[in-house]
Amino acid sequence: EDQVTQSPEALRLQEGESSSLNCSYTVSGLRGLFWYRQDPGKGPEFLFTLYSAGEEKEKERLKATITKKESFLHITAPKPEDSATYLCAVRSLSPGNTGKLIFGQGTTLQVKP
Amino acid sequence: ETGVTQTPRHLVMGMTNKKSLKCEQHLGHNAMYWYKQSAKKPLELMFVYNFKEQTENNSVPSRFSPECPNSSHLFLHLHTLQPEDSALYLCASSQETGNIQYFGAGTRLSVL
Repeated sequence: EDQVTQSPEALRLQEGESSSLNCSYTVSGLRGLFWYRQDPGKGPEFLFTLYSAGEEKEKERLKATITKKESFLHITAPKPEDSATYLCAVRSLSPGNTGKLIFGQGTTLQVKP
Repeated sequence: ETGVTQTPRHLVMGMTNKKSLKCEQHLGHNAMYWYKQSAKKPLELMFVYNFKEQTENNSVPSRFSPECPNSSHLFLHLHTLQPEDSALYLCASSQETGNIQYFGAGTRLSVL
C-alpha cells in the first residue's frame, strides 16, 4: 500500500536558522513527488514536482531533493513569512491508481523573528 | 478571475439541512477533485472527475453527492450530514489526472 510520512509534525525555527523537512514514501513505482505549501485558511499552493532520485528543484529559500525512499525540503535562512504547513504528496504506478495523489499529514513550520 | 474559486468560504448547517458547495476553475483543466481536510489528518481524496466523468469515488458516504456538469464546474451536494463531517473541503483541478493539482481556498464546513 502506498504511504507517505512527514516529519517532524511541527518545527519552530528562529529567523535565519536553516533546517530540513522530511517526507518518507513507500510506493509501487513513483510517478511524481509533489511539495505544497498551505497557509492557514487557504488551500495548498504548489511548490515543486520531483520525478527521480537525484533530482533537485529550488525556489527562493527552498530547495527540494529526492532519493529512492525520501524527499527533503531544505529551508535556508528562513524568514517569518515562510511560516506555513508544508505538504508532501506522491503519485504512484500502483494497479488501479487513476493518478490520485497520496498526501502526508504535513509539517507545520513556525519561523520566529 | 483566475485559478480555482470555491463558494461559499464558510458554511454552518444543521444535520437535517441540504446545501451545496461550488467549485469553478478558470485554468482550462480537464480533471477536478474534491478533498476533505480534517485537523491533524492528511488530505483525503473524495471524488475525481476527468472530462466530466467520475473516475474515482473513495468510499464516500452517500450523504455527499458530487456533480460535474462540465470541465469547469464541480459541485458537492450535502444532505443529512453528521458533526464528524465538519472539515475544510477543498476543490482542485489539473490538466489531466495525475498532473500538478491546483487548489481552491476551500469551504470551511461546520455541522451542528
